Amino acid sequence: GAVVSQHPSWVICKSGTSVKIECRSLDFQATTMFWYRQFPKQSLMLMATSNEGSKATYEQGVEKDKFLINHASLTLSTLTVTSAHPEDSSFYICSANSGSGADTQYFGPGTRLTVL
Amino acid sequence: QQPVQSPQAVILREGEDAVINCSSSKALYSVHWYRQKHGEAPVFLMILLKGGEQKGHEKISASFNEKKQQSSLYLTASQLSYSGTYFCVAGSSNTGKLIFGQGTTLQVKP
Repeated sequence: GAVVSQHPSWVICKSGTSVKIECRSLDFQATTMFWYRQFPKQSLMLMATSNEGSKATYEQGVEKDKFLINHASLTLSTLTVTSAHPEDSSFYICSANSGSGADTQYFGPGTRLTVL
Repeated sequence: QQPVQSPQAVILREGEDAVINCSSSKALYSVHWYRQKHGEAPVFLMILLKGGEQKGHEKISASFNEKKQQSSLYLTASQLSYSGTYFCVAGSSNTGKLIFGQGTTLQVKP
């Protein structure tokens, strides 16, 4: 099946710093990738849709200036959490559609962000 | 709109069966089922696209009712490895977005 990777798998940073998370589709091209956030014991919440070569589309309530998304190529999307604060600590997961025509999305392994 | 799942949690003994229900206030384009283990990303189980469709593999199957507003996931003869949180996910036809239900936590005990 399609493989999606994320890097780093976990990161600890100080409050006020910025953190970049990478999402890569390893064996297929993804014109669209999605970013989710999951707080402990909660469901995944869609943050934004990342479109290759164009601006990301953010869900209601998600600050686009705080969560910068860049989809520079068909296999890479990045999420940058700017000026991170403890309340941004969460599990960030990306996904990509394999393009196999079955609408199946494959998820990356996730990145655990802890802001001190 | 977020799909609504029931029950919120289930505890089973190995070998027992379980059903997880999912409902939506309006017709869905597609229903996806995922399972997530603690600390890991969700793993795709199956997708249903057509009203009346039933699909499954091994001892895990799902149905999508004719009106496409309800889906159920069936777990038979449960194994310890079935433990995790199951998500019913609504798919969008034109955007590819997935909207996750709140999840159902399943615990299978020996």
